[in-house]
Amino acid sequence: AQTVTQSQPEMSVQEAETVTLSCTYDTSESDYYLFWYKQPPSRQMILVIRQEAYKQQNATENRFSVNFQKAAKSFSLKISDSQLGDAAMYFCAYREVLGGSEKLVFGKGTKLTVNP
Amino acid sequence: AAGVIQSPRHLIKEKRETATLKCYPIPRHDTVYWYQQGPGQDPQFLISFYEKMQSDKGSIPDRFSAQQFSDYHSELNMSSLELGDSALYFCASSRGTMKSSYNEQFFGPGTRLTVL
Repeated sequence: AQTVTQSQPEMSVQEAETVTLSCTYDTSESDYYLFWYKQPPSRQMILVIRQEAYKQQNATENRFSVNFQKAAKSFSLKISDSQLGDAAMYFCAYREVLGGSEKLVFGKGTKLTVNP
Repeated sequence: AAGVIQSPRHLIKEKRETATLKCYPIPRHDTVYWYQQGPGQDPQFLISFYEKMQSDKGSIPDRFSAQQFSDYHSELNMSSLELGDSALYFCASSRGTMKSSYNEQFFGPGTRLTVL
């Protein structure tokens, strides 16, 4: 089974600064999808960004970008110009496909605090 | 746009009671996933259905059962509730479940189950 590891239980950043959240994963597949989900205090799971493994270009969504290092199996999330609303739990996830079914495998999460 | 609907949003039960959680997927979505998120934990995959058939099963206790109905809504039935079943239960839906294509899982707001 694939595993996803987030080694930073908590991170903090000053408003308007940049922060990077780390994620590593283990897989023997060559093509797969990786995701970052945001879970604010409301507990809603919000998709922030996704990356398909065969695409070499790092995904970007406004202030959010990833550094995808396939050989190192690393998938970090960079948040630029941090805002107070970015404060949340961030989960890295891997899309595991077995046969005709799929599921998401999540890391343990990183709690991000944004200081004014 | 229509989103995934879960009901009830909050549920309080006593130990050994039974609970039923309902999930209404986005229109035209034929795949439903259930995840359990314990306090301070990451979401864990429980079970999924595609076209009313179980497609995958994760760490779901034998006390739990689920099904997908002809209108694609799904119900998670939980019997002999234990204190450890207290968690946030997410339902997600997607359209299709083919390895060759990406089908985003859209998450519902979750049902918070408290077992006393």
